[in-house]
Amino acid sequence: EDQVTQSPEALRLQEGESSSLNCSYTVSGLRGLFWYRQDPGKGPEFLFTLYSAGEEKEKERLKATLTKKESFLHITAPKPEDSATYLCAVRGFGRGGGNKLTFGTGTQLKVEL
Amino acid sequence: DAGVIQSPRHEVTEMGQEVTLRCKPISGHDYLFWYRQTMMRGLELLIYFNNNVPIDDSGMPEDRFSAKMPNASFSTLKIQPSEPRDSAVYFCASSWEDTQYFGPGTRLTVL
Repeated sequence: EDQVTQSPEALRLQEGESSSLNCSYTVSGLRGLFWYRQDPGKGPEFLFTLYSAGEEKEKERLKATLTKKESFLHITAPKPEDSATYLCAVRGFGRGGGNKLTFGTGTQLKVEL
Repeated sequence: DAGVIQSPRHEVTEMGQEVTLRCKPISGHDYLFWYRQTMMRGLELLIYFNNNVPIDDSGMPEDRFSAKMPNASFSTLKIQPSEPRDSAVYFCASSWEDTQYFGPGTRLTVL
């Protein structure tokens, strides 16, 4: 069974204070690792997909990286509008994989002025 | 495109009543997913369809839950009878290739 663990559960940063969120995973053959952002009262919003170890993707102040066991979401010089819950999900080749995503429970990020 | 559309956005009902949640996927997407999100368990996949056919319903918690997709532009998730433990936010998502796009969700409260 695919598993995803995210840490920390919650993170408080000052504006401009860079940090990283972690996503550890176990999967029977990785078909993709996904990062989503979720604002209160809204559905998850797609950020990135990573497919193989060593791959990196960037969008504004966010950069996602991938190894064989974990992914990091690096936030550089965050702003208050980056406050949200960040969700990580994996898709595997294992039994019942198909197009099924397994989500972690998320990291709740708060960026203060 | 308007994105994934869900209705209603909020539903409050009493235990034992039937609840029907609705979803319109993004046009051209051939996969549709139903998820449930709670504080305790996070985001869980209930069922997904490919080209209107149910592929994996292993996440459906009980026989009280059923889902249909009569055509490419509409799906329903029905709970009958509803129970207080069904209170959660229910999301619909659709995809064409790898990326799933989520709707705004339906917040269900069962009293």
